[in-house]
Formats: sequence, C-alpha cells, structure tokens
Amino acid sequence: DAGVTQSPTHLIKTRGQQVTLRCSPKSGHDTVSWYQQALGQGPQFIFQYYEEEERQRGNFPDRFSGHQFPNYSSELNVNALLLGDSALYLCASSGGQGTYNEQFFGPGTRLTVL
Amino acid sequence: GNSVTQMEGPVTLSEEAFLTINCTYTATGYPSLFWYVQYPGEGLQLLLKATKADDKGSNKGFEATYRKETTSFHLEKGSVQVSDSAVYFCALSGGYGGSQGNLIFGKGTKLSVKP
Repeated sequence: DAGVTQSPTHLIKTRGQQVTLRCSPKSGHDTVSWYQQALGQGPQFIFQYYEEEERQRGNFPDRFSGHQFPNYSSELNVNALLLGDSALYLCASSGGQGTYNEQFFGPGTRLTVL
Repeated sequence: GNSVTQMEGPVTLSEEAFLTINCTYTATGYPSLFWYVQYPGEGLQLLLKATKADDKGSNKGFEATYRKETTSFHLEKGSVQVSDSAVYFCALSGGYGGSQGNLIFGKGTKLSVKP
C-alpha cells in the first residue's frame, strides 16, 4: 500500500515564475492538506481540500492556490514566486473529513527560489 | 490565536539517557495534542496523540500526558537509542476557534543521540 507520494522531489525556480506541486494521497483517503515548512521551522498550514473544494485556508496570500481531482490527488500552485517561498512543501492526507483523523505526510517537495 | 511553544534544540544525549522535550500550548477549549517525528530526508510521522485532558499518549517507549492545568504536553522517554535521532514536533488541532483538520506546529526540537 503506497503512502502519500509527492512530485517532484526537488525544484529550482526563479523569482516571478510559477510552480505546480503534486500530491497523491494514501489509498482510501479523501482529504488532502498542504503545509509549508521553512528551514528550521515547523510546518505551517496552507489549505485543505475535500470533495474537490477548499475547506479551510491558513494565512497565505492568494498567490497560493490549489486543486483536488476526482481521484483525490491534489496540486498546489504558487504564482509570482518570491525568495521567501523557498521551503519544503508537505502534503498530508487523511480519511473522512479531517476531523481527529491522523494526517499521513508525504516526503515533501523542496522548492528553491533564486 | 492558537499556538504551540516547544523547547529550543538541539538536544544531545548519550544512548540510554532519559529524554524530556517540553511543549506548552495556547488554546481555548479542548484541542487535540500530537507529537510528530521527522527523520532525516523523510516526511512527518505521527508519534503519539491525546485528545482530552489527562489522556496519556504512548508509542515506541515515548509518552506524553495532556495537562490542561499547565497547558503542557511534554514528551518523555526513559532510555533513548541512536535510532531516536530526529526532529520532534509538538502540534495541536481544534479547540474553540480552531479547526480539527488544521495542525498547528511548534518549531521543532532536534535530538541527537550518541552511542
């Protein structure tokens, strides 16, 4: 049983570019959450998707957007990249509606913005 | 808003030493509390959790007790091993004004265990 998978593993972009990160949830899970983890910091919640809709959103600008597909996989898009967007982006999946259900994390995508 | 504060690292211990990593939280109501562990190059793994006051979460020799009176959830292990070397994150979700699906993390504490 594959766990949460993310692609790509690493990514290098320049300021002003746009990036798309992808996540496939653990089998049987229907809820996907995205987190940003800056170096030396704890993860910060970006948003959560359930039934192809954004259910919750953290304190991130509109440059950060997402999508969930009918097969529950998800994408995170970041427009107009800034140097400060350099971080490890973590995807987590859970079953049900994300309430008291364990969130299983993927290995992350390391984004570097030059 | 809700927040989590955990002790600064890094923490370096010898094998078989006793481990405590302090974690305190700020939240109204009754949030759920978690400890996650991140091994080098890997994603976060749930280590243990507690969903109500006085609950004790335990796993792999690690324990933490949900103390509402002191708003704490300290992580302890009686005898650490080299394989416990990792970064440990305290986290919460829920409580009044908080969401059950949104985890709020502390900054993490890096543990290094020497043989």
